[in-house]
Amino acid sequence: QQQVKQSPQSLIVQKGGISIINCAYENTAFDYFPWYQQFPGKGPALLIAIRPDVSEKKEGRFTISFNKSAKQFSLHIMDSQPGDSATYFCAASTSGGSNYKLTFGKGTLLTVNP
Amino acid sequence: DTAVSQTPKYLVTQMGNDKSIKCEQNLGHDTMYWYKQDSKKFLKIMFSYNNKELIINETVPNRFSPKSPDKAHLNLHINSLELGDSAVYFCASSRWAGETLETQYFGPGTRLLVL
Repeated sequence: QQQVKQSPQSLIVQKGGISIINCAYENTAFDYFPWYQQFPGKGPALLIAIRPDVSEKKEGRFTISFNKSAKQFSLHIMDSQPGDSATYFCAASTSGGSNYKLTFGKGTLLTVNP
Repeated sequence: DTAVSQTPKYLVTQMGNDKSIKCEQNLGHDTMYWYKQDSKKFLKIMFSYNNKELIINETVPNRFSPKSPDKAHLNLHINSLELGDSAVYFCASSRWAGETLETQYFGPGTRLLVL
């Protein structure tokens, strides 16, 4: 059972364009939604994260939009740059307890053409 | 000053062999993790340790045995390697804040190829 569904699998955007990656989750107990960025040959690194008490969080060119009722969240990359080309993973988790773990989406390979 | 380091970076071995991967973090974190990333880049948690105590074991075959000698180290030993074990293994660490979640910092990965 895939608890976090991510789309699209791959995305090609022109420099300066907007990249949008979507995720949907099933477990209503999830209350922490991070996005990780992974460059080839490197480990994933936290990009931005949101909790369900807000509907949007912005950090520079990166914005998370969160829709609790639809159980969906998305990453928007404004003014996309070739240096943004990487694989992006959404994830979800629940707070507290000893069973804390991140459940990842399957990833989106973003290519930004110059 | 590498925050989370793993050795070796690459590991090529024959089926049936036993191998170990080492992980060290210098972030002062008390929770460490092992993840497996398959050829399709799917990331899945395998184990998690908090203060040297195993807290997550995600139905991983018994051939995989993690060991945490102290809070800064988490090693992964794999017995009787199989072709399907070929993957990239990532170590990660975070602070344990009880009721809140902390950022996980990933290592550079160990690329394991079983022939």
